[in-house]
Amino acid sequence: EAQVTQNPRYLITVTGKKLTVTCSQNMNHEYMSWYRQDPGLGLRQIYYSMNVEVTDKGDVPEGYKVSRKEKRNFPLILESPSPNQTSLYFCASSLGLNEKLFFGSGTQLSVL
Amino acid sequence: DQQVKQNSPSLSVQEGRISILNCDYTNSMFDYFLWYKKYPAEGPTFLISISSIKDKNEDGRFTVFLNKSAKHLSLHIVPSQPGDSAVYFCAASGSGSGYALNFGKGTSLLVTP
Repeated sequence: EAQVTQNPRYLITVTGKKLTVTCSQNMNHEYMSWYRQDPGLGLRQIYYSMNVEVTDKGDVPEGYKVSRKEKRNFPLILESPSPNQTSLYFCASSLGLNEKLFFGSGTQLSVL
Repeated sequence: DQQVKQNSPSLSVQEGRISILNCDYTNSMFDYFLWYKKYPAEGPTFLISISSIKDKNEDGRFTVFLNKSAKHLSLHIVPSQPGDSAVYFCAASGSGSGYALNFGKGTSLLVTP
C-alpha cells in the first residue's frame, strides 16, 4: 500500500531534550516536506526536500533541522525543543513540485 | 503573508443540501489549485484539483470552480453527507511560490442529519 509513515504518533517531551520524528514513504517520490498545523494558522511548511541531499527552508524553519540521506526517508530533528514547538506535525511527499501531496497520519508533539 | 485565504472558519449544512466552501488567493502566478480533506487524528487527503486552464472540474459529488479574474475558487459538495464533516484545506501552487503548495487555514464543515 502506497503510504507516508510517521513515527511516533504522539510524543511528550521536555524543553531542551533533542528529538527526532521519522518519516518514510514507499512511493519513490522525489519531493518530501514537513508541515506543522496550529489552531487558526492552518498548515505551514517547515522544510522541504527536492531530492536526496537537497533540502531547503519553508515558511517556519526556525528551531528545526532535516536531512535527506535516502530518497525514502526525511526525518525532522528538534535539537532543543521549546514549548512553542508544541504542534501537530505532518510529513508529506509527492512526485515533484506542483504535484499533489500525500500526507502521513501526523505526530502530535507536546513540549513541556 | 497569507497567499491563500479561507475566510470562513466553519460551515454547517444539512444533509442532502449543497455545501459551498470558498477560497481566495492573492498570487496571480498560481496555476494549480487543490482541495484537501482532513478528519481528526488523520493526515489531510487529496480531494480534487484544478489547473488554471480550466474553470471547472468535477468528480462525483465534488466540483471545484475557478474564477481566475477574481482569484477565487470554490468547492461544491452535492448532496452533502454526514461523512463529509471534516476540515477542508484549499491549496495553491505555481511559479510565484516556487511551485510549493501554499495552504489556507481551513474550513471546518459540519453536515447535520
